Amino acid sequence: DAGVIQSPRHEVTEMGQEVTLRCKPISGHNSLFWYRQTMMRGLELLIYFNNNVPIDDSGMPEDRFSAKMPNASFSTLKIQPSEPRDSAVYFCASRGSYNEQFFGPGTRLTVL
Amino acid sequence: GNSVTQMEGPVTLSEEAFLTINCTYTATGYPSLFWYVQYPGEGLQLLLKATKADDKGSNKGFEATYRKETTSFHLEKGSVQVSDSAVYFCALNPGGANSKLTFGKGITLSVRP
Repeated sequence: DAGVIQSPRHEVTEMGQEVTLRCKPISGHNSLFWYRQTMMRGLELLIYFNNNVPIDDSGMPEDRFSAKMPNASFSTLKIQPSEPRDSAVYFCASRGSYNEQFFGPGTRLTVL
Repeated sequence: GNSVTQMEGPVTLSEEAFLTINCTYTATGYPSLFWYVQYPGEGLQLLLKATKADDKGSNKGFEATYRKETTSFHLEKGSVQVSDSAVYFCALNPGGANSKLTFGKGITLSVRP
């Protein structure tokens, strides 16, 4: 099993640009989670999906952030426009029949 | 609501020392409990889990016992190695179809040779 796949692994962009992060969950898992991790705020849950439907997006910081899950094998997190304070490591995780989540390697985003 | 409290860090130990990292929780019902580990530059990995009271999760020499009477899930290892240096997160899942993990703040462990 390839595990949760995230792309890109690193992204450097300039303020105001659109950023799209991608995630492929483990095959057969029906829940997907997006997290953000920074030194200041620690690990934060942004949004999660169950069977491709967004269940809770209360952690999305503002309207500049959006997430989609068009099918069971793909999800995107988009930031438009990006700002320097969005710099962080973004993790995707998926969950199957049991309660444990499996995390991807993360995307390190730097907004200049 | 649900919450997880971890002891304050960081923790620095010498190789082969005994490790205890405290974790207590607040939850309704019967949550599942987890320890995750994050090595530098990597994502979180599940280290061990316990799904009911008195269960003991174990992996890679680490152990934790689900204590409902004290609402605790302390992580222990008898002899730490330099390669155990990482950030450790305690977490709970209350269960249910749309449930999510609640994480503690994490604690950094450094093991010196």
